[in-house]
Amino acid sequence: DQQVKQNSPSLSVQEGRISILNCDYTNSMFDYFLWYKKYPAEGPTFLISISSIKDKNEDGRFTVFLNKSAKHLSLHIVPSQPGDSAVYFCAASGQRANSKLTFGKGITLSVRP
Amino acid sequence: KAGVTQTPRYLIKTRGQQVTLSCSPISGHRSVSWYQQTPGQGLQFLFEYFSETQRNKGNFPGRFSGRQFSNSRSEMNVSTLELGDSALYLCASRSDRGQFDTEAFFGQGTRLTVV
Repeated sequence: DQQVKQNSPSLSVQEGRISILNCDYTNSMFDYFLWYKKYPAEGPTFLISISSIKDKNEDGRFTVFLNKSAKHLSLHIVPSQPGDSAVYFCAASGQRANSKLTFGKGITLSVRP
Repeated sequence: KAGVTQTPRYLIKTRGQQVTLSCSPISGHRSVSWYQQTPGQGLQFLFEYFSETQRNKGNFPGRFSGRQFSNSRSEMNVSTLELGDSALYLCASRSDRGQFDTEAFFGQGTRLTVV
């Protein structure tokens, strides 16, 4: 049962354009959402997060949008750079103090120079 | 502050053997989680330890086990290895607040190959 879904396995965009990575979830108990970036042979690194009390969080070139009614979130990268080419994972956790992080399968982003 | 350290980085084992992986979390972090990453499957949750107690467990067989020591370091053990256990095993630590709204910091992982 995939509670966090990243339905598009890959995305290719031109350098300088916007990258939009989508994520859907099914568990209405999820209250905190995160995006991680992963390069080959390295562990995932935290990018940005958003709490369910917000609908938008911005950090430099990265913005995460949350639509709770649709159980959907997206990560926008503007402008995209070749160094952004990596696998991006969406993750979610619930409100219980001991809640684990549930990850999607990831999206491979390729930014073309 | 030192990051999450996993040892060894690479490991090759034979089917039927057992293996132990180690993880040292960020200083002050009491929560340690383990994940398995295989191609096309994303990060699958194995288990989480907090203050030496397992408080969350994923849907893996009993061959996968773990423990946490009083200094928060954690070990993961896989017994009777199968070819399908070949994967990148990632350890992540979270702050000592142990609350849901904190990010996890990952180590570089241990690449296990079972032949």
